[in-house]
Amino acid sequence: DTGVSQDPRHKITKRGQNVTFRCDPISEHNRLYWYRQTLGQGPEFLTYFQNEAQLEKSRLLSDRFSAERPKGSFSTLEIQRTEQGDSAMYLCASSFFGGQGAKGGTQYFGPGTRLTVL
Amino acid sequence: ILNVEQSPQSLHVQEGDSTNFTCSFPSSNFYALHWYRWETAKSPEALFVMTLNGDEKKKGRISATLNTKEGYSYLYIKGSQPEDSATYLCAFPDTSGTYKYIFGTGTRLKVLA
Repeated sequence: DTGVSQDPRHKITKRGQNVTFRCDPISEHNRLYWYRQTLGQGPEFLTYFQNEAQLEKSRLLSDRFSAERPKGSFSTLEIQRTEQGDSAMYLCASSFFGGQGAKGGTQYFGPGTRLTVL
Repeated sequence: ILNVEQSPQSLHVQEGDSTNFTCSFPSSNFYALHWYRWETAKSPEALFVMTLNGDEKKKGRISATLNTKEGYSYLYIKGSQPEDSATYLCAFPDTSGTYKYIFGTGTRLKVLA
């Protein structure tokens, strides 16, 4: 397995346009996370999935953001009606979660998609 | 709201210097603490998973310690090299819910040759 991949690596769009990003996790991982990172900050949690179920979505995430993981494999993150404040690095990570009694859960990150909204 | 704090925010050291940073987290309901290194233009890379109080992990010149009772972990770099320049992140799971991970803001290290 070659790790977590994300597509595209860079996206430049005009304000008001919709954009969609894709993440392909490590195949045996059951958890998939989306984060947003802006300059000077750590990765900010957006949402995550366990298999195909979306377990949690950040309260900071507006309704313009939606994510899917239809078959429990790849995931897409869509941003509708983009705003300049959406410009950031969008990171995807995957991990194997073995239940609350299990330790570990190391996340493996993709290279990110850098979004610039003009 | 779970708070994970890292200090300092940024650090410049000379090549050969040893350095350390801190990650502070809630000491109740400890589950695990993760350290990551994030080099510019690369993906964050896992360094350590710390699970037991008093844990000490080592990887080359980098080591980490854990104190779950007081809620902190230290990351040490011995004899810093320019290739150690990166942002070092710690992450802590929110055990009150679905175990999603909360990241600190990171410590940005620059090692000057």
